[in-house]
Amino acid sequence: KQEVTQIPAALSVPEGENLVLNCSFTDSAIYNLQWFRQDPGKGLTSLLLIQSSQREQTSGRLNASLDKSSGRSTLYIAASQPGDSATYLCAVRKIEGNKLVFGAGTILRVKS
Amino acid sequence: SAVISQKPSRDICQRGTSLTIQCQVDSQVTMMFWYRQQPGQSLTLIATANQGSEATYESGFVIDKFPISRPNLTFSTLTVSNMSPEDSSIYLCSVGTPNEKLFFGSGTQLSVL
Repeated sequence: KQEVTQIPAALSVPEGENLVLNCSFTDSAIYNLQWFRQDPGKGLTSLLLIQSSQREQTSGRLNASLDKSSGRSTLYIAASQPGDSATYLCAVRKIEGNKLVFGAGTILRVKS
Repeated sequence: SAVISQKPSRDICQRGTSLTIQCQVDSQVTMMFWYRQQPGQSLTLIATANQGSEATYESGFVIDKFPISRPNLTFSTLTVSNMSPEDSSIYLCSVGTPNEKLFFGSGTQLSVL
């Protein structure tokens, strides 16, 4: 059974800091891994999608890496801003059943 | 990318009643997914809805409690039946193919009294 774990559960940093969010998964039989952002009471916004054959993806201040063999992904946020405050979720797309399995998320607060 | 309109955005319902949530997509999609997010928890897949076939439910979810319709390639509904306070959650629909990003509606925040 695929399990997805995110560390830390919560993180509070001052504005301007670079930070790393971690995601690990137990089964490497995945199509891809996706990072999402969720604001309170809202739906999810897709940030980055990494296919299983890729090592990393970048979008603006965000960089996501994937090491499928070790079952790990990181989301790097550069020069954090108060507007980055949200819950960040990672999810893996299982090959078996073509389903998305989510981690519990990291609640990020960037203080101004 | 896909734009998904989901409604209602929130509702407060009485125990024993039912609520139907609608999800409209701006393009034709084969697979639509319904998720539940209980307070303080991550998302759990309820079912996968493909047009022209019965929805496929995940373990712990049954059609009698969460009937789904998928009449065409741009629309789906999820009904939460005979509600109890334990059904208070955010319900989200999403679309996407295996190698593409998954897009989500803005969610329906349901509170059952």
